[in-house]
Amino acid sequence: EVQLVESGGSVVRPGGSLRLSCAASGFTFDDNAMSWVRQAPGKGLEWVSGINWNGGNTDYADSVKGRFTISRDNAKNSLYLQMNSLRAEDTALYHCARAASSDFYWYFDLWGRGTLVTVSS
Amino acid sequence: EIVLTQSPDILSLSPGERATLSCRASQSVSSSYLAWYQQKPGQAPRLLIYGASSRATGIPDRFSGSGSGTDFTLTISRLEPEDFAVYYCQQYGSSPPNTFGQGTKLEIK
Repeated sequence: EVQLVESGGSVVRPGGSLRLSCAASGFTFDDNAMSWVRQAPGKGLEWVSGINWNGGNTDYADSVKGRFTISRDNAKNSLYLQMNSLRAEDTALYHCARAASSDFYWYFDLWGRGTLVTVSS
Repeated sequence: EIVLTQSPDILSLSPGERATLSCRASQSVSSSYLAWYQQKPGQAPRLLIYGASSRATGIPDRFSGSGSGTDFTLTISRLEPEDFAVYYCQQYGSSPPNTFGQGTKLEIK
C-alpha cells in the first residue's frame, strides 16, 4: 500500500526539542521531493519545510528557519524533522507530504495523517 | 509573498446542489500552478486538482477546476454526501512557494 506514516509527536516544554519521523512505503521514495506541512488546532495548512529527492536542497518557512532541520534517508525510506527551540506557536499536527516531483516547490499528491506536537509548560 | 484568499469561509448547501468555491491570489500565479485539496475531519488532505484544472488520479468528474492569473474556482457539479469537507487551495509556482488559502468549509444545509 502506498502510504506515509508519521511518528514522534508528543508534549514538550517551550525551548525543548523533538524529532519527527515519516516512514514511506509502496513507492520509490527517492523519486520524489518531500515536505512537512503543519496544521494548528482548528486552523489551516502551513508549509513548514521541504527537501529535494537526494537531500541536496532544502528550504524552510520563515517561522521555523534556524530552529528546524529537515533530512531524509533514502536507504530507509524515511523523512525526518528535527525541531529545536520549540515555541507554543509550533503546536500543531505535522503532516508528511510527497511532492509530485523531484522538486519540493510543487503540489502534494500523497499525505500522511500526521503526528501531534504540543508545546506547553 | 503570494497570499491566497478563499471565499466563502463557510458554504451551506444540500446534496445534489452545485458548489462553487473561490480562491483569489494577491499576485498572478505563474503557469496556473494552483492545486485544490479536500480534508475531512481526522483525515489527511487529499489532492483533487493540480495545474488549476487537471483532476488527480481517482477524483470523480463532478470535481472541476478553472481559472488563471489571480482568480481560480473549484466547482462540484452535484454534491454527494461524502463531499462535505474543508477545501484548500495552494499555489506552488511562485516564491515563497507552497502557500495555502485559509480554507472553505462546505457544510450540509
